[in-house]
Amino acid sequence: AQSVAQPEDQVNVAEGNPLTVKCTYSVSGNPYLFWYVQYPNRGLQFLLKYITGDNLVKGSYGFEAEFNKSQTSFHLKKPSALVSDSALYFCAVRDMEYGNKLVFGAGTILRVKS
Amino acid sequence: DAGITQSPRYKITETGRQVTLMCHQTWSHSYMFWYRQDLGHGLRLIYYSAAADITDKGEVPDGYVVSRSKTENFPLTLESATRSQTSVYFCASSEAGTVGGEKLFFGSGTQLSVL
Repeated sequence: AQSVAQPEDQVNVAEGNPLTVKCTYSVSGNPYLFWYVQYPNRGLQFLLKYITGDNLVKGSYGFEAEFNKSQTSFHLKKPSALVSDSALYFCAVRDMEYGNKLVFGAGTILRVKS
Repeated sequence: DAGITQSPRYKITETGRQVTLMCHQTWSHSYMFWYRQDLGHGLRLIYYSAAADITDKGEVPDGYVVSRSKTENFPLTLESATRSQTSVYFCASSEAGTVGGEKLFFGSGTQLSVL
């Protein structure tokens, strides 16, 4: 079965510094990977996805993610963090057995301090 | 452009009662999903539907029932609510898409408390 792991419950970073939110995956076959963000009392919002092609995927709000097949990782990155980036971030992988079903990680809280 | 809406936003009920959470989308997306969000577990899939009258179980379907008589609606029913079903419930939808999958659009969630 497909799965993703987010090893950090929380990431703290100062405003203006680069940020990384980690995700590793376990899949059979080619992985289809996603990042979503959840702001307080809101539903999840799509940030970006990796299907195939370039290992660096660019998404919304200045975020990007680096796909690394040898390390089975798909880390979310941003060159310069904003306080408004503070939110809960989820990595997800598509389960190829069930159409568009996504399997989510447990989530990582990102706190950006000014 | 309402998108995907869930109701109610908050619900308090008692153990043993039947509760129905509503989900409505205006995009005519083929796929619809119900997830529950619990601390430490992220989001877990309860049920999903690939089209009207087609539903299937996810990871944690026990105690839940769904139906999809119309493409735009996907209600979730807790037949006899238990305290373990206290959670935040999210409905989502997506287009049918092709290989690789399409992104999911999420509702704002229903916060359910079972006393």
